[in-house]
Amino acid sequence: NAGVTQTPKFQVLKTGQSMTLQCAQDMNHEYMSWYRQDPGMGLRLIHYSVGAGITDQGEVPNGYNVSRSTTEDFPLRLLSAAPSQTSVYFCASSYSMSGELFFGEGSRLTVL
Amino acid sequence: AQSVAQPEDQVNVAEGNPLTVKCTYSVSGNPYLFWYVQYPNRGLQFLLKYITGDNLVKGSYGFEAEFNKSQTSFHLKKPSALVSDSALYFCAVRDHSGYSTLTFGKGTMLLVSP
Repeated sequence: NAGVTQTPKFQVLKTGQSMTLQCAQDMNHEYMSWYRQDPGMGLRLIHYSVGAGITDQGEVPNGYNVSRSTTEDFPLRLLSAAPSQTSVYFCASSYSMSGELFFGEGSRLTVL
Repeated sequence: AQSVAQPEDQVNVAEGNPLTVKCTYSVSGNPYLFWYVQYPNRGLQFLLKYITGDNLVKGSYGFEAEFNKSQTSFHLKKPSALVSDSALYFCAVRDHSGYSTLTFGKGTMLLVSP
């Protein structure tokens, strides 16, 4: 059982470039979310989805875009990368918003 | 707005001794409370949660947490620490409303010395 799979694990971008972080889960979870982890700041919610076709903003959505066309996939798009987006990004899913989250292994992004 | 405070950046304990990692929260109404653990270069793993009922919650790897409504606290505890418990621990909270999201604390690094 793969759980939550994130790709790529590492990425280096130049300022202004765009890219997509992929997230897929095989647990048929309705709820999926993206967090960023920065030293001393814990995890901050970027965007989340409560089901296919439904997305909403979290605490720090600016500069990021998401879509949820299937239950399994929840990609995170960086539209024009900035050095402030250097971070470790985690995708997580849950059977409901009140359930425990299952996390991917993370994607470490560096923006130069 | 809901919030979580983990007042200690780091907790040091000797192997075999009891450990406590502190967490206090602020939320409208009744809380859902969670503890997660993160090992180096890994994603977070669920340890335990409080939804309702008994104030003492038991979780994975021998950890437990005590919900104290009057003190708005949810401290993580273990009777006897292991070196392998060394990791980053996160407390998280959400309220019971339909679309409330989870808010995480900043994390506490637990270091267990041999």
